[in-house]
Amino acid sequence: GQSLEQPSEVTAVEGAIVQINCTYQTSGFYGLSWYQQHDGGAPTFLSYNALDGLEETGRFSSFLSRSDSYGYLLLQELQMKDSASYFCAQGGTGGGNKLTFGTGTQLKVEL
Amino acid sequence: EAGVTQFPSHSVIEKGQTVTLRCDPISGHDNLYWYRRVMGKEIKFLLHFVKESKQDESGMPNNRFLAERTGGTYSTLKVQPAELEDSGVYFCASSQAGSNEQFFGPGTRLTVL
Repeated sequence: GQSLEQPSEVTAVEGAIVQINCTYQTSGFYGLSWYQQHDGGAPTFLSYNALDGLEETGRFSSFLSRSDSYGYLLLQELQMKDSASYFCAQGGTGGGNKLTFGTGTQLKVEL
Repeated sequence: EAGVTQFPSHSVIEKGQTVTLRCDPISGHDNLYWYRRVMGKEIKFLLHFVKESKQDESGMPNNRFLAERTGGTYSTLKVQPAELEDSGVYFCASSQAGSNEQFFGPGTRLTVL
């Protein structure tokens, strides 16, 4: 089976940096993706890590350590609009694999 | 370019009734996925089409759920008969062949009373 665990909630102030962790247990590994979902909206793709290391996309970065079965999403210069749910998801490589989602983290950005 | 669209946005039905959800993927995307989020739980995979063929339907909960993608364009997901535990948000997503990124629709919120 596959499971991906995340903290349920994280709170940070505007302008700060926040890290959302994801630990996983999977029978096979196909890369780690991150999705953002605002209330009532569609999940939107943020980043994907197939290999160990850091991937940077603007204010967002994602890190993966396959030996530790661990990854994180780093959000810098937090803005109020970053308040949303964030999901890590395993799979997606090669454009054909289903995504197995983590439990999700509700990020609240405060003034 | 239009994104993934889903219809209806909301559906309220009684237990035992039938509901059909529709998904229009991004044009040219061969991969089409259905997911479901039951309240308080994570988003769970239901099935995956490649063009008109079912590639993986391991997430379909039972035979009350039937998905089709005739012609390899839009897809429908029928629930018949609906049960209370089928309530949730049903998401459709599509992706290009060889891409890691899945594009999600806004979802259909299904409430079974």
